[in-house]
Amino acid sequence: SYELTQPPSASVSPGQTASITCSGDKLEDKYVCWYQQKPGQSPVLVIYQDSRRPSGIPERFSGSNSGNTATLTISGTQAMDEADYYCQAWDSTVVFGGGTKLTVL
Amino acid sequence: QLQLQESGPGLVKPSETLSLTCTVSGGSITIGSYHWGWIRQPPGKGLEWIGTIYYSGSTYYTPSLKSRVSISVDTSKKQFSLKLSSVTAADTAVYYCARQIVGTTPLYFDYWGQGTLVTVSS
Repeated sequence: SYELTQPPSASVSPGQTASITCSGDKLEDKYVCWYQQKPGQSPVLVIYQDSRRPSGIPERFSGSNSGNTATLTISGTQAMDEADYYCQAWDSTVVFGGGTKLTVL
Repeated sequence: QLQLQESGPGLVKPSETLSLTCTVSGGSITIGSYHWGWIRQPPGKGLEWIGTIYYSGSTYYTPSLKSRVSISVDTSKKQFSLKLSSVTAADTAVYYCARQIVGTTPLYFDYWGQGTLVTVSS
């Protein structure tokens, strides 16, 4: 079965750029999306189809997908961006990455 | 604004069947580019896709749960439902329903319900 691998944790200082990776075999051949989940809340879609941003998502969120790795980038990270982030793709089934806990400190 | 709301028992006994319903409001359940899915999240763990249904009734499930899962849809009530049989403590989780956007393949979930915690315990 297909797997998506994310680092369990990442940290960033306020105002700096955070990058969260998601790895999978030939991932560039698939569309990747990213969800943000804060404690006690439902996931929120922040990037879809590799790099598109839904309405209402700040411009500081961006995405890319090349080779075996997709990356979620948060520029000018704010304290409110501290959350768990999950990547997701389709490979005959819906596949989620294990999630990355982003700490802003 | 589309809204999804899960409903069902919060406590299920081991070996019994978990049953949840998702009610969709503020939009149509029968538009062709949408599928409707169930995702769960055990306490302190990540997201796990359970399965998805199209308004016509076509379904697809995650292989690890396929033998125990059934998802159905009632378009007249704008609801879709999840049944998971022979539950164990490992099925304790927050269960989410969500709308899935579909292109040439299923893509992403753009609207999610608030989630409902189901605990499996005697």
